[in-house]
Amino acid sequence: KQEVTQIPAALSVPEGENLVLNCSFTDSAIYNLQWFRQDPGKGLTSLLLIQSSQREQTSGRLNASLDKSSGRSTLYIAASQPGDSATYLCAVNQAGTALIFGKGTTLSVSS
Amino acid sequence: KAGVTQTPRYLIKTRGQQVTLSCSPISGHRSVSWYQQTPGQGLQFLFEYFSETQRNKGNFPGRFSGRQFSNSRSEMNVSTLELGDSALYLCASSLARAGSSGANVLTFGAGSRLTVL
Repeated sequence: KQEVTQIPAALSVPEGENLVLNCSFTDSAIYNLQWFRQDPGKGLTSLLLIQSSQREQTSGRLNASLDKSSGRSTLYIAASQPGDSATYLCAVNQAGTALIFGKGTTLSVSS
Repeated sequence: KAGVTQTPRYLIKTRGQQVTLSCSPISGHRSVSWYQQTPGQGLQFLFEYFSETQRNKGNFPGRFSGRQFSNSRSEMNVSTLELGDSALYLCASSLARAGSSGANVLTFGAGSRLTVL
């Protein structure tokens, strides 16, 4: 059974710092992995989707990497800003099942 | 284009009542998935509908049910509400079924916040 883990559960950094969020999964037979952002009390916003054949995807200050064989993905945020404060969730997509989510990392960026 | 619309956004019910939540997907999307989100359990999958048929179901009791209409709009119903049903209920739509290969991006609605007293 696929399990998705995100460590740490919470992270506080000063503005301007570069940071890395981690996501690990137990079953490497995935089609793709998605990173989402969730603001308090709101729905999820898709940030990046990495196909299993890809190693990286970039969007602005965000860079997501995928190492399928080791069951790990990272989300790199460059030059963090207070507006980046949110909960970040990763989710894996595999055959015949719904997306399986980690519990998220809550990021707080202070000015 | 319009996003995923969920109604109502907030509602308060008492134990034993029932509730119906609605989800209108992005135009052209045929898959609608429902999730329950609580602080302790995170996001848990309820069910997925594609072309009016339930394709996948999570590990929830039979009090949780859903359906999808010919225009792809979906509803979920919870009967005999319990305190533990208090949660944010999220729906997501996509072009293809969940669990299919390819870049099948799920787009989420803002959610329906249910409080059971």
